[in-house]
Amino acid sequence: KQEVTQIPAALSVPEGENLVLNCSFTDSAIYNLQWFRQDPGKGLTSLLLIQSSQREQTSGRLNASLDKSSGRSTLYIAASQPGDSATYLCAVTSNSGYALNFGKGTSLLVTP
Amino acid sequence: GAVVSQHPSWVICKSGTSVKIECRSLDFQATTMFWYRQFPKQSLMLMATSNEGSKATYEQGVEKDKFLINHASLTLSTLTVTSAHPEDSSFYICSARGQTEYGYTFGSGTRLTVV
Repeated sequence: KQEVTQIPAALSVPEGENLVLNCSFTDSAIYNLQWFRQDPGKGLTSLLLIQSSQREQTSGRLNASLDKSSGRSTLYIAASQPGDSATYLCAVTSNSGYALNFGKGTSLLVTP
Repeated sequence: GAVVSQHPSWVICKSGTSVKIECRSLDFQATTMFWYRQFPKQSLMLMATSNEGSKATYEQGVEKDKFLINHASLTLSTLTVTSAHPEDSSFYICSARGQTEYGYTFGSGTRLTVV
C-alpha cells in the first residue's frame, strides 16, 4: 500500500526566506505526483503536477522536483511571502485515472 | 480551467438526519469522481470512487449504505450521508477527473457538523 510522508509537519519562517518542503513515498511505481495548497477550511488548489517521466516543474516562485527511484519529491518556495501561509499537500497516483494518495501535509506560516 | 463546484460549503445537522453534498463539473465532463474525507490535522482519505452510470467503489471500512454516492451524469455526483452521527463530522471534498491527463480538480469542500 502506498504511503506518503511529508516533512516537516509544520514550518514557520520569516518573510523572504527560501524554503524546501519534503515528500516521500514508499512505492516508486507512480504515474504522477502533484503538489496542492490548502487554506484553512477550504478546498485544494493544484500547484504543480509532475509526470513520472519528468524531473521537475516550475511555476513562478515554486519549483518541484521528483526523484522517482528514491521515492522523493521536494517543493521549493523562493522568497516566501505571508500569503504563502497555508498547508501544502503532496499526493501521488499509481495509474492514470486512479485516486490520489495524500500525505498529511506541511503547515507553513510565513511571518511578516 | 476546469472547475468543480461543491455545495454546500458547510452544513450543521441533527444526529439521525441525512445530508446531501453535490459536486458539479462546470466546464468539463467528469468521467470519474472521487470522494475524500479529512479529519482535523489528518490527510485526505479516499472514501469512494464513482464512475458515471455505474455503482461506486468504496474503500475498505467505508459503509456504502451510510455514504450513498450517485453519479447519474457526467457533470454531477452526489454524496448523501444517511443517519448522520457526530463521528461523521468532518470535511468532505470531491475530486473530478475528466478527459485530460493533467491532474485532478477539487471542489471547495463541505464542512459537516453533526450535533
